[in-house]
Amino acid sequence: QKEVEQDPGPLSVPEGAIVSLNCTYSNSAFQYFMWYRQYSRKGPELLMYTYSSGNKEDGRFTAQVDKSSKYISLFIRDSQPSDSATYLCAMKNSGYSTLTFGKGTMLLVSP
Amino acid sequence: DGGITQSPKYLFRKEGQNVTLSCEQNLNHDAMYWYRQDPGQGLRLIYYSQIVNDFQKGDIAEGYSVSREKKESFPLTVTSAQKNPTAFYLCASTLTGSRDNQPQHFGDGTRLSIL
Repeated sequence: QKEVEQDPGPLSVPEGAIVSLNCTYSNSAFQYFMWYRQYSRKGPELLMYTYSSGNKEDGRFTAQVDKSSKYISLFIRDSQPSDSATYLCAMKNSGYSTLTFGKGTMLLVSP
Repeated sequence: DGGITQSPKYLFRKEGQNVTLSCEQNLNHDAMYWYRQDPGQGLRLIYYSQIVNDFQKGDIAEGYSVSREKKESFPLTVTSAQKNPTAFYLCASTLTGSRDNQPQHFGDGTRLSIL
């Protein structure tokens, strides 16, 4: 079983839709969870950073962590064509420097 | 503006040639990382360094070498021993120590191809 599983997509939605992106993981020691957005031919850009379980909201983006289920989500409200990108989840243990990444989900938002 | 600068943006390697990818940061970050990204494979860690003059192998270090002589700089050399070097290479950095558990920030990558 891979440490972090993420559906590669592509996920196609119409403009204005609510998007749900998800990752599952197997290592119960993960405590810090990140979502990155990556446009084509660019580096990943940090979108959300959360610690432990719960929700965090930033504008149209909400990150949700459920440690009991080893499941994290990123919700995008009122999706825009400019949200079309690959979304990578990443996570780490406390005190560890390195991250474990999902393979990324490609999102396509059509006008 | 603070950030991570990777150069060149595109690089071509001939058979038997070593090439070096540059990564410079002015964020005063302690730790720096090199990743390789292939289609459908996500990011795989090549090398990382948490302090000057020290570095550790990641998951796919074979065929690569690094140095960390300055805090701001972490160049990656792709040697001729790396038989499949065509990929998108990403450099990242973060704070460590008492400010541990900070997220990594990335440069905009170098795309390496074989001639």
